[in-house]
Amino acid sequence: DAMVIQNPRYQVTQFGKPVTLSCSQTLNHNVMYWYQQKSSQAPKLLFHYYDKDFNNEADTPDNFQSRRPNTSFCFLDIRSPGLGDAAMYLCATSSGGADKKLFFGSGTQLSVL
Amino acid sequence: AQRVTQPEKLLSVFKGAPVELKCNYSYSGSPELFWYVQYSRQRLQLLLRHISRESIKGFTADLNKGETSFHLKKPFAQEEDSAMYYCALRGGADGLTFGKGTHLIIQP
Repeated sequence: DAMVIQNPRYQVTQFGKPVTLSCSQTLNHNVMYWYQQKSSQAPKLLFHYYDKDFNNEADTPDNFQSRRPNTSFCFLDIRSPGLGDAAMYLCATSSGGADKKLFFGSGTQLSVL
Repeated sequence: AQRVTQPEKLLSVFKGAPVELKCNYSYSGSPELFWYVQYSRQRLQLLLRHISRESIKGFTADLNKGETSFHLKKPFAQEEDSAMYYCALRGGADGLTFGKGTHLIIQP
């Protein structure tokens, strides 16, 4: 009964080879987020969509892009992964209303060789 | 800029002992504070939020604006409380700012 689904659980890519991580939700939530979490660090917000409105954090590198083709799906594209991009990537959703509760996916652990 | 500080990377207590996970924040406006928990091999999930003033699984947290703190407390720790705990703040934007987390270990 997973409500926020991330695939794959583990992703391995090569240095400089584009990679896409996917997230889907069954909650019909307006807002979808992408967080990056490196080892022993706090989850860091990369960007979020409020419906189709894209909101990029000021310090998110240009190497990271996102697409949200419909309410249910959101993708994280890393155009040229570097070794420093190896991390856990977390997708989350919220209704966007007064209830600010976030629902998280299990995450995708990205390795860059 | 908003910031969340969890000074303890690791906290180990014995079963039945009181637990306090510290969280301090920095934000110029009126923040919303949350505690999220991640049990082993599970996803990150909301534990509680300050606006609800609720007690979840025996945990409580009080927002102290004077001390800019939102410490998480439980009077008697249980083994199933072992997990990673993250304090988070929501300022003006939609996203949350997380602390680095505290790994709580409850020893039998």
